[in-house]
Amino acid sequence: EIVLTQSPGTLSLSPGERATLSCRASQSVSRNYLAWHQQKHGQAPRLLIYGASNKATGIPDRFSGSGSGTDFTLTISRLEPEDFAVYYCQQYGTSPYTFGQGTKLEIK
Amino acid sequence: QLQLQESGPGLVKPSETLSLTCTVSGGSISISAYWWGWTRQSPEKGLEWIGIIRYNGDTYYKASLESRVTISVDTSRNQFSLKLNSVTAADTAVYYCARFKQVAASSLLDYWGLGTLVTVSS
Repeated sequence: EIVLTQSPGTLSLSPGERATLSCRASQSVSRNYLAWHQQKHGQAPRLLIYGASNKATGIPDRFSGSGSGTDFTLTISRLEPEDFAVYYCQQYGTSPYTFGQGTKLEIK
Repeated sequence: QLQLQESGPGLVKPSETLSLTCTVSGGSISISAYWWGWTRQSPEKGLEWIGIIRYNGDTYYKASLESRVTISVDTSRNQFSLKLNSVTAADTAVYYCARFKQVAASSLLDYWGLGTLVTVSS
């Protein structure tokens, strides 16, 4: 199965700063079927990005995704207080679908 | 607004069967564009996709769990269910039901339930 490795494990930033989260796959992700999900404590996770770079419905413009093949990036251009959460990448190009271990974005 | 709500026992004994139901509201489970499935999360394994089902009963399971897993659907109740038999402590996790949107040659997890903790212990 495809192993997704996210870095860093924890990212400490201040509101207003730019966040860059990385996801590396152990083999090429078919059709660039790479998604990013946000998980906040006590809430259902939600889909942010699909197909590596497409924003899901209702996701603010400050979120963007990029990359192809084995290297993908989630960028949050200017952090808002509500963006501090855990972010997971997920590939859905090859069964079994797999997730990264997560990046915790915390307030500095 | 779509809502997915998991229900079922929070405690299961080792070797027994874990059973969970997901009730879907705010949308029909019978739309062919969507699959419905389960993902679980534990500190040891992280997030793990379990399997999916469509309204007509077509299923796909994670190969390593396939011998123990059954996902079924009840369109009359707008529900789908998970059964995992012969559980061990390694099956302790938060179980999420979710909607998967059909895309070319795959399906995209686009909506999550809140999740329910299931502990396997005697």
